Amino acid sequence: EADIYQTPRYLVIGTGKKITLECSQTMGHDKMYWYQQDPGMELHLIHYSYGVNSTEKGDLSSESTVSRIRTEHFPLTLESARPSHTSQYLCASRGQGGHNEQFFGPGTRLTVL
Amino acid sequence: DQQVKQNSPSLSVQEGRISILNCDYTNSMFDYFLWYKKYPAEGPTFLISISSIKDKNEDGRFTVFLNKSAKHLSLHIVPSQPGDSAVYFCAASVRSNYQLIWGAGTKLIIKP
Repeated sequence: EADIYQTPRYLVIGTGKKITLECSQTMGHDKMYWYQQDPGMELHLIHYSYGVNSTEKGDLSSESTVSRIRTEHFPLTLESARPSHTSQYLCASRGQGGHNEQFFGPGTRLTVL
Repeated sequence: DQQVKQNSPSLSVQEGRISILNCDYTNSMFDYFLWYKKYPAEGPTFLISISSIKDKNEDGRFTVFLNKSAKHLSLHIVPSQPGDSAVYFCAASVRSNYQLIWGAGTKLIIKP
């Protein structure tokens, strides 16, 4: 079944740790996105990719990095987590045509102590 | 400046009645407008969209209305059901730009 997956769903870590949030999609979509979202706020785009070996930073300044070595995989890495990184991280992908709709994974809720 | 605004942080509606969620935008270049539904600790789910050349799109209980002169769109849910309780996000996009611009969401509470 075509879908988009994120792991872990929840993560609690200490300050200074390096973490990687995983995102994979089985829909063959070229375009993938990472968002950060806090309660009562809009989704903020932090990274996006329009294909393999193509990554760009979004509107929200982020200390994270991403890679896109395979079409289906778009991991996000924080080299040194801080309490200010506590948030929900959402991965999305977009196929061809339509109204630019994006399809989201279940998200990772990150808490940095 | 926010290009997409949802001015009501929350809305409470009786089960069975109509829920109307509103969204305003400032950029007249937007080609598409989308509505998403989000439960806590889950990712947003696409609900319905409308092209800027239309003024209405309907899908089951969900209807989106677009008023381009007022730069306003609304999502109508009829009849409202308990499972509709969630945060609803409005988003907009320019055709050639594959990014979505998001509103801050409206929390819809359906009362039994």
